[in-house]
Amino acid sequence: RKEVEQDPGPFNVPEGATVAFNCTYSNSASQSFFWYRQDCRKEPKLLMSVYSSGNEDGRFTAQLNRASQYISLLIRDSKLSDSATYLCVVKNGGYNKLIFGAGTRLAVHP
Amino acid sequence: DGGITQSPKYLFRKEGQNVTLSCEQNLNHDAMYWYRQDPGQGLRLIYYSQIVNDFQNGDIAVGYSVSREKKESFPLTVTSAQKNPTAFYLCATAPGQMNTEAFFGQGTRLTVV
Repeated sequence: RKEVEQDPGPFNVPEGATVAFNCTYSNSASQSFFWYRQDCRKEPKLLMSVYSSGNEDGRFTAQLNRASQYISLLIRDSKLSDSATYLCVVKNGGYNKLIFGAGTRLAVHP
Repeated sequence: DGGITQSPKYLFRKEGQNVTLSCEQNLNHDAMYWYRQDPGQGLRLIYYSQIVNDFQNGDIAVGYSVSREKKESFPLTVTSAQKNPTAFYLCATAPGQMNTEAFFGQGTRLTVV
């Protein structure tokens, strides 16, 4: 089993749609969680950190469920510019091992 | 100019040759990471380092080697033992604290012919 697993995608949605991505992690000792965005042939960039109480940044909402070892990202009112691959990231242990999910591709169309 | 510098951006090598990819940072970050990404795939961890003179195997360390002699530098050598080295290589850094995100360099595209 992979340490971090994501919805396979791709997600093809119209502008204005709401879309949700899910991610599960296997190591119950994981301590930090993030969502990154990666555009085609570019490096990943931080979208948002994920806090235990859940957090929101504009149209983006992240949730963490430690009991189920589950992270989610909700994007409301999708824009064409949201088209990218979204990567779930988990940081483990004393050595700060940073593990990425395989990513979920989002395509927003007019 | 602060940040993470990976060089070169594109690299071509003949099969069987060792090649070293550079990663330099002036962010004063303790942790540094190397990832490999194949087309349409996620990032796989090759090696990571928490402090100078210490590094750990990631999930796909076979055929690669690293060193961390200085805090600013974490070069990755792709050896001839790596059977399929053509890929996009990404270096990342992070502060030492647990709840801090990682920052990436722009990557090196290695093509072995």
